Amino acid sequence: KNEVEQSPQNLTAQEGEFITINCSYSVGISALHWLQQHPGGGIVSLFMLSSGKKKHGRLIATINIQEKHSSLHITASHPRDSAVYICAVSKAYSGAGSYQLTFGKGTKLSVIP
Amino acid sequence: EPEVTQTPSHQVTQMGQEVILRCVPISNHLYFYWYRQILGQKVEFLVSFYNNEISEKSEIFDDQFSVERPDGSNFTLKIRSTKLEDSAMYFCASRTGTRTYNEQFFGPGTRLTVL
Repeated sequence: KNEVEQSPQNLTAQEGEFITINCSYSVGISALHWLQQHPGGGIVSLFMLSSGKKKHGRLIATINIQEKHSSLHITASHPRDSAVYICAVSKAYSGAGSYQLTFGKGTKLSVIP
Repeated sequence: EPEVTQTPSHQVTQMGQEVILRCVPISNHLYFYWYRQILGQKVEFLVSFYNNEISEKSEIFDDQFSVERPDGSNFTLKIRSTKLEDSAMYFCASRTGTRTYNEQFFGPGTRLTVL
């Protein structure tokens, strides 16, 4: 069983639509990350969350620690938002740990003009 | 803005050959990572490196793999005898490693093709 599950796997939206991508995880975490992977393969960090909500431009990320669930929202979507969005977690450690990331499979978003 | 760099961007090799993938992490970072992504699959952790030694490694990181920080700036991943299934995108990442957990910064990746 995957420790990080994302939904949907694929998402097609019209330009201007409000988009939500969901992530659930089954382990204790120190932080949750939302990442963007461009068609060329490069990975960019969008958010790192351990509680609450963060906003950057048209992107909003929320996390509910009790429910082990996070969402990434994109308001007023644009074709340039088309990419794969990846949820990843760094597990909680009781002692020293390297906090490597465990990744979900990603959500492929296509925004159509 | 400081960034993680990786070379080469694309490496093609014959099965059984040794390859070295190179990364230059951000200069004040202390934790370094290698991840890989087989085409169409999720990103997987390979190894983490701190204080000049491996901190953690996954089941994937077997005796064919090794990492090194030879000169204080480069961080390398060596695959001793490549297999077809080693074909993947390899990402290097780094973070500062201060007491509280912080963000990882990724390099652009090296696409390894094993023929």
